[in-house]
Amino acid sequence: SAVISQKPSRDICQRGTSLTIQCQVDSQVTMMFWYRQQPGQSLTLIATANQGSEATYESGFVIDKFPISRPNLTFSTLTVSNMSPEDSSIYLCSVDAHLTSFITGDTQYFGPGTRLTVL
Amino acid sequence: QKEVEQDPGPLSVPEGAIVSLNCTYSNSAFQYFMWYRQYSRKGPELLMYTYSSGNKEDGRFTAQVDKSSKYISLFIRDSQPSDSATYLCAMFGVKGGSEKLVFGKGTKLTVNP
Repeated sequence: SAVISQKPSRDICQRGTSLTIQCQVDSQVTMMFWYRQQPGQSLTLIATANQGSEATYESGFVIDKFPISRPNLTFSTLTVSNMSPEDSSIYLCSVDAHLTSFITGDTQYFGPGTRLTVL
Repeated sequence: QKEVEQDPGPLSVPEGAIVSLNCTYSNSAFQYFMWYRQYSRKGPELLMYTYSSGNKEDGRFTAQVDKSSKYISLFIRDSQPSDSATYLCAMFGVKGGSEKLVFGKGTKLTVNP
């Protein structure tokens, strides 16, 4: 298994500012994912971040709004840019349970989440 | 029709009750079926993982998959207050030309002592 930590755990931000969320894993992992969890909504994948390549964004999410870094096999960041109240959500990072394999993304370990409120 | 449907509840039961949680889906390409448990202010944790139709048991938890009906269930026997959490169903398969993990909205369960 993998232990995942996220910083910050929560934040309250002003409209128009940006916030960078950090995700740290205690094991080397190939596939990392960033999700958004809005109240009453399904967990929604924002992007997949593999070390050594550009992040792959899902429909409805763009790099200018959610830039991602993946500098090594244990760390990633997600930035929420030019925030609006609609960005208020829980942001979660996760890793593929197969850790260093590209096999699948079917089972994942999740971090505790970052609770973001935009005023 | 949404790809994965899950009744959000909330569901409140007395301690010791049998709990039944369900999801339906429309995408026949889903091959793997999971249940995640999410405690308040925590990330989801994998509870059960199944591949084919049928039942899988792990302690007090039983996961059931009926691919012909596109219906999955999670049963919790002898429910405990510590089972109080939100339960998310998840399915993995081809979506939009690539493989994806798709979640239901989650059912919030409260087990009362």
